[in-house]
Amino acid sequence: DQQVKQNSPSLSVQEGRISILNCDYTNSMFDYFLWYKKYPAEGPTFLISISSIKDKNEDGRFTVFLNKSAKHLSLHIVPSQPGDSAVYFCAASGINSGYALNFGKGTSLLVTP
Amino acid sequence: DSGVTQTPKHLITATGQRVTLRCSPRSGDLSVYWYQQSLDQGLQFLIQYYNGEERAKGNILERFSAQQFPDLHSELNLSSLELGDSALYFCASSALLAGSSYNEQFFGPGTRLTVL
Repeated sequence: DQQVKQNSPSLSVQEGRISILNCDYTNSMFDYFLWYKKYPAEGPTFLISISSIKDKNEDGRFTVFLNKSAKHLSLHIVPSQPGDSAVYFCAASGINSGYALNFGKGTSLLVTP
Repeated sequence: DSGVTQTPKHLITATGQRVTLRCSPRSGDLSVYWYQQSLDQGLQFLIQYYNGEERAKGNILERFSAQQFPDLHSELNLSSLELGDSALYFCASSALLAGSSYNEQFFGPGTRLTVL
């Protein structure tokens, strides 16, 4: 069963605007959440993370928001740049799975000039 | 460059065969994870090793096995290969501390396995 879901397979945004990628999870035992970015023919690259004791974490243009009650997290990219075009994966981990990452199926972001 | 290396980059083989994928973690990382990415399933966790010992198992088939050696490199063995085993296989490593939730994993470039 898919415990981490990214319901939007693709997203297109204009350069300079905000990109918002969403992720939902079902397992309340997850306590750490991560976003990865993946280019074709490369492995996923760690982008940003957040623990369950926080509701926001910011790193430069990237901000992750966590809503535990809704079991929802989102990644905001501001401003979006053409180089941000990639597939973004949401992942979650917890002690009951040995901290293995449970991935969503990804959202393909296209930032157009 | 994540610091995680995987060999080979590509592997083409026939059904029924056995292959071995190799992974070297980042320097100092004790944990190694294996993931499979197929077209319709996304990234699926297979198995984790920590300092030579199996730590967690995911959706790993009985035909698949792995090990982590004293120098911390890991190998994933896939046997009696079927067409459906064609996928990208990723290795990741982390400096996971016992009892810590803060587990950024760093991924290698993957091995693309094609079973004909």
